Amino acid sequence: GEDVEQSLFLSVREGDSSVINCTYTDSSSTYLYWYKQEPGAGLQLLTYIFSNMDMKQDQRLTVLLNKKDKHLSLRIADTQTGDSAIYFCAESKLGGKLIFGQGTELSVKP
Amino acid sequence: DTAVSQTPKYLVTQMGNDKSIKCEQNLGHDTMYWYKQDSKKFLKIMFSYNNKELIINETVPNRFSPKSPDKAHLNLHINSLELGDSAVYFCASSQDIRSEQYFGPGTRLTVT
Repeated sequence: GEDVEQSLFLSVREGDSSVINCTYTDSSSTYLYWYKQEPGAGLQLLTYIFSNMDMKQDQRLTVLLNKKDKHLSLRIADTQTGDSAIYFCAESKLGGKLIFGQGTELSVKP
Repeated sequence: DTAVSQTPKYLVTQMGNDKSIKCEQNLGHDTMYWYKQDSKKFLKIMFSYNNKELIINETVPNRFSPKSPDKAHLNLHINSLELGDSAVYFCASSQDIRSEQYFGPGTRLTVT
């Protein structure tokens, strides 16, 4: 199938780390992506990881990829109220088609 | 500003009408896409064009017709609008079919 699964909600306190998880189905996907969507806005590309990597770090963001389990996670260190948004993971398919998860709504409480 | 832009941002229209949404990118990308986001925030690809040629048509009703006059533009025309077409439509572009995609701000279509 073409399912990408994410939990729907995550609530954390400001300053804590957030971990958003995603599972995908297609082991042949070459890239996996994380996008952020703030209310009423478009999708902002946060980061992506190539399938032959198992970790990528970019400032407060760390992406972990477990290819055997088809599991992807996004860790946000020192989460701020401005990080409140919906986070989508996506896997790439032939022709550039992205298959998105349902999105995880991150709520950051002060 | 270098970006993917869409017009209009909001579109309210009645059932049965025909409408168009325009998309432009000034990133010099070869590939452009249309995605639909429904009321539950679920995103699904509709079309992609590479160098003005259609490469993905994701079982979208033929009331939807994309048109790419040049590599920088991909417009979406919708005939005989239905209530179920109400959604947010996102345009995106990428350097090629393997590269990361950059999204426009979206067009919220409401069909009454």
